[in-house]
Amino acid sequence: AQSVSQHNHHVILSEAASLELGCNYSYGGTVNLFWYVQYPGQHLQLLLKYFSGDPLVKGIKGFEAEFIKSKFSFNLRKPSVQWSDTAEYFCAALTNAGKSTFGDGTTLTVKP
Amino acid sequence: DAGVIQSPRHEVTEMGQEVTLRCKPISGHDYLFWYRQTMMRGLELLIYFNNNVPIDDSGMPEDRFSAKMPNASFSTLKIQPSEPRDSAVYFCASSFNPGVLHFGNGTRLTVT
Repeated sequence: AQSVSQHNHHVILSEAASLELGCNYSYGGTVNLFWYVQYPGQHLQLLLKYFSGDPLVKGIKGFEAEFIKSKFSFNLRKPSVQWSDTAEYFCAALTNAGKSTFGDGTTLTVKP
Repeated sequence: DAGVIQSPRHEVTEMGQEVTLRCKPISGHDYLFWYRQTMMRGLELLIYFNNNVPIDDSGMPEDRFSAKMPNASFSTLKIQPSEPRDSAVYFCASSFNPGVLHFGNGTRLTVT
């Protein structure tokens, strides 16, 4: 069965620190990968997506992620976080059957 | 584009009562998803539809939960009878082809 694992449940950083959130997926077929962000009290919004092509994808607000097929990973990165990046981050995998599976989420707290 | 519209935003009900959550997907989207979010279990996929047809309802917790999509612009998630453990935020999301999910603002359900 398809699954997505996020290794960090809660990350606390100071402003300007670099961020990397881990995501691993388990699925043998073609998979599309996403990172979504949920700001406090809001709904999930797309940060970035990978469908094919360049494995390094850039999203909104300076975020990027790298798809490493051999490691079944799609880690999210940002060189310098801001206080406004405080949110919950979800990695998701979409199979060609149309089903999106989400990881448990990582709560990021950025201290000013 | 009005986005995915969910109603009500908040619902407080007593145990044993019937609860109906509503969702209007983005026009033209052919996939519709119902998710439940809790602190304990994170984001869980309950059911999803493609072209109004339920594809996978394996995430529906038990027979008390049912979902319908009578047409392309409307879906309901019903809980009858409701229980306190059903308290959660319920999100509806839609997508065009399997792809990026667009989430509604959610319905916060409290069952006392």
